[in-house]
Parts: sequence; structure tokens; C-alpha cells
Amino acid sequence: DVKVTQSSRYLVKRTGEKVFLECVQDMDHENMFWYRQDPGLGLRLIYFSYDVKMKEKGDIPEGYSVSREKKERFSLILESASTNQTSMYLCASSRGYSGNTIYFGEGSWLTVV
Amino acid sequence: SQQGEEDPQALSIQEGENATMNCSYKTSINNLQWYRQNSGRGLVHLILIRSNEREKHSGRLRVTLDTSKKSSSLLITASRAADTASYFCATPFWVGAQKLVFGQGTRLTINP
Repeated sequence: DVKVTQSSRYLVKRTGEKVFLECVQDMDHENMFWYRQDPGLGLRLIYFSYDVKMKEKGDIPEGYSVSREKKERFSLILESASTNQTSMYLCASSRGYSGNTIYFGEGSWLTVV
Repeated sequence: SQQGEEDPQALSIQEGENATMNCSYKTSINNLQWYRQNSGRGLVHLILIRSNEREKHSGRLRVTLDTSKKSSSLLITASRAADTASYFCATPFWVGAQKLVFGQGTRLTINP
């Protein structure tokens, strides 16, 4: 089975802290994604990576950065967490061409206080 | 935003009834996917329909696609309590794109 593992299920961080959300996939997928999910807004794409060290901005990249140094690992970084970044964050991966299934992790609930 | 829209936002039916959810999208597509999310969990892929297909079946699921109207529907027949979840449609950002845009979802509740 495809496995996308997000390192933390629940986090509480303080405003201004630097936050790392880690994601690992075990299927040698080329593509990896970070989405954010908020009530009433659905899923919104933050960043997308189609290869090691390659990234594209999604709909809402402001306040976030990403790192992909190895194919299996995709990290989301909040340089200075703010309360409006309190949300559920979903990591996902897929094979490298359109029409492939996206496999999601279980999500990371981040609360910024 | 390129997000599509799902309709209705919430649906509550009795077990055994059929549930129909609709999705509208904004751009030309080469495929459309449906996903399911149990409360507080990640999304799970249900079915993909390509732009040259009009209808596709998988078990109790039936998906239709009307590219002229930029719309799709998901029908779940003979619903079960375990079908209670949120359902999302997803389309590529543009034709051939690997990135997907998700709708806001339909929250389906099956009452026993």
C-alpha cells in the first residue's frame, strides 16, 4: 500500500515560531503537494514539487516555504507562524503525469497561539 | 481562484437511499477525480473519469461527466452508514497539469 506519512498529527506553536511540517512517501513518487484545509474553503494548494529541489507555488504560498532535498521527503516551513495559519495541513504525493491518483497523508492539525 | 463548486454543501439521507452530489468546474480538463474524506482524516481516491468518457462505474459509485456544461455528478447507490463522509471533486489546474484543484466538498450524512 502507498504510504504518505506526516510526522506530526497535532501541533501547538506560538506566534512567531518557525514551524516545520515533515512528510515522507514510500512509493518513489515524483510529485508531492502541500494543501491547507479550512472549513468553508475546502482544500487549497500551498506548494507543489515535481522533482527533487523543484517547486511551484500554489494558490496560497504567502507565509510558507518548502524544501525537497530528497525524493521521498517534502517539508513545509512556516518561517514565522501566525494565528491565521492555524489549520489542517495535508501532504500528498502522486506519480509524475496528469490523471494519476493523489495519495494523502492523515493530516497535521496546527494551532498557532 | 480556480476552485470548483460542489452542490449541495451538505446532504442528509436515510440508509439505503441514493445520494447524488454535483460538481462544477471552471477550466477545460482532461480528467476529473472524486475523493472521499472521513472526518479529521486524509482524502482517499474514489474514481477518475477522463474527458472522453461520459459515465463510469465502480461498485456502488456512478460518476458522470458533461464537459459542455463543465459539470460532474457522483451517485452513491444503496447508501450505508459507513458512507458518511465529505466528498470532493478535483480537476487539474489546466489540461495535462499534475496539480489538482479541489472543490469545497459535500458533507454527506447517512442516517441509520
